[in-house]
Amino acid sequence: AQSVTQPDIHITVSEGASLELRCNYSYGATPYLFWYVQSPGQGLQLLLKYFSGDTLVQGIKGFEAEFKRSQSSFNLRKPSVHWSDAAEYFCAVAPNYGGATNKLIFGTGTLLAVQP
Amino acid sequence: KAGVTQTPRYLIKTRGQQVTLSCSPISGHRSVSWYQQTPGQGLQFLFEYFSETQRNKGNFPGRFSGRQFSNSRSEMNVSTLELGDSALYLCASSLGTYRLEAFFGQGTRLTVV
Repeated sequence: AQSVTQPDIHITVSEGASLELRCNYSYGATPYLFWYVQSPGQGLQLLLKYFSGDTLVQGIKGFEAEFKRSQSSFNLRKPSVHWSDAAEYFCAVAPNYGGATNKLIFGTGTLLAVQP
Repeated sequence: KAGVTQTPRYLIKTRGQQVTLSCSPISGHRSVSWYQQTPGQGLQFLFEYFSETQRNKGNFPGRFSGRQFSNSRSEMNVSTLELGDSALYLCASSLGTYRLEAFFGQGTRLTVV
């Protein structure tokens, strides 16, 4: 069964430092992969997506992610973190059941805290 | 363009009652999905509707149901509420039919007491 693993439940970084959030997926075919961000009590905002092509994708708010098929990973990165980036980040995969669907399978999330 | 709108934002219900949540997707979007988010189980898929038809259903009891109207607006209903149904219920809309990006509403926070 398709699944998504985010190994880090909680990460703390200093403002201005670089960030990498890990995501591993279990999926047989070409995955569609997404990163979402959620501020407390809010819905999810799409940061970026990977469907095919260039393995390095750029998103909003200065985020990027790299798809590595050999490692089944889709890690999210940001070169310099801002205090406003403190939030929970979710990696998601769109499974392919052979039928039309927009269903997403989410990882458990990584809660990011930013120290001044 | 307006985003996904969920109403109400907050609800408090008593065990045994039923509740209906509403979702208005982005204009032109025909797919609506519902998710339950809890601290223990994370984000779990409830069901998906496209053109008034349920296309996919998650592993939830029959107390959870939904429907979609001809204008793509969707409602979900939970009957005989249990304490464990307390959660943030999120609605997402997508433009078309197949593994497209989903845009989420702000959610409805349901508390069952």
